[in-house]
Amino acid sequence: GENVEQHPSTLSVQEGDSAVIKCTYSDSASNYFPWYKQELGKGPQLIIDIRSNVGEKKDQRIAVTLNKTAKHFSLHITETQPEDSAVYFCAASKGYGGSQGNLIFGKGTKLSVKP
Amino acid sequence: DTAVSQTPKYLVTQMGNDKSIKCEQNLGHDTMYWYKQDSKKFLKIMFSYNNKELIINETVPNRFSPKSPDKAHLNLHINSLELGDSAVYFCASSQGVSGLYEQYFGPGTRLTVL
Repeated sequence: GENVEQHPSTLSVQEGDSAVIKCTYSDSASNYFPWYKQELGKGPQLIIDIRSNVGEKKDQRIAVTLNKTAKHFSLHITETQPEDSAVYFCAASKGYGGSQGNLIFGKGTKLSVKP
Repeated sequence: DTAVSQTPKYLVTQMGNDKSIKCEQNLGHDTMYWYKQDSKKFLKIMFSYNNKELIINETVPNRFSPKSPDKAHLNLHINSLELGDSAVYFCASSQGVSGLYEQYFGPGTRLTVL
């Protein structure tokens, strides 16, 4: 089955710096790659997603890149702010039917942004 | 209005007891999920339901039984609780079964088994 590796497990940056989190996946049939942010005591919340027919997607300070050949995708946060501090999860899904639609999550990255 | 709500938020109980966690979504979605997040923050799907029918049942002990009385509700009943069941349980919902759309998560239920 699909396996999603995520690194680093912890990341500490100064406010205003950029942060990059990387994920690799094992199943070349995966075609949907969301990123979730989980703040302390809350449930995960989608911040950006990318589908396999797109190489890059941006939303203000957040961008995601996908390299299908290498089977890896990355989250880029620019101009980090203290409120970006949270645990970030990448995930992958093949989509459609039964367990194909499962979201397989990485183990998370705890991002700390120091003021 | 909360999109996906769970009750209770905290649940502390003794080994061997039976407990239930309730989940409701007001988004009009037809697919709902239960996830388990362990102490290392690892998120793993347990079940998914579409239109009240079980779609996914991952390798979960049969002490866990989900029940969906209608599209907006997916409850989780756990029998004979064990220490290893201690975790945070998240309910989520999405539109469709494809797994290709945003999942909306509830705030979680922290279960502690003593």
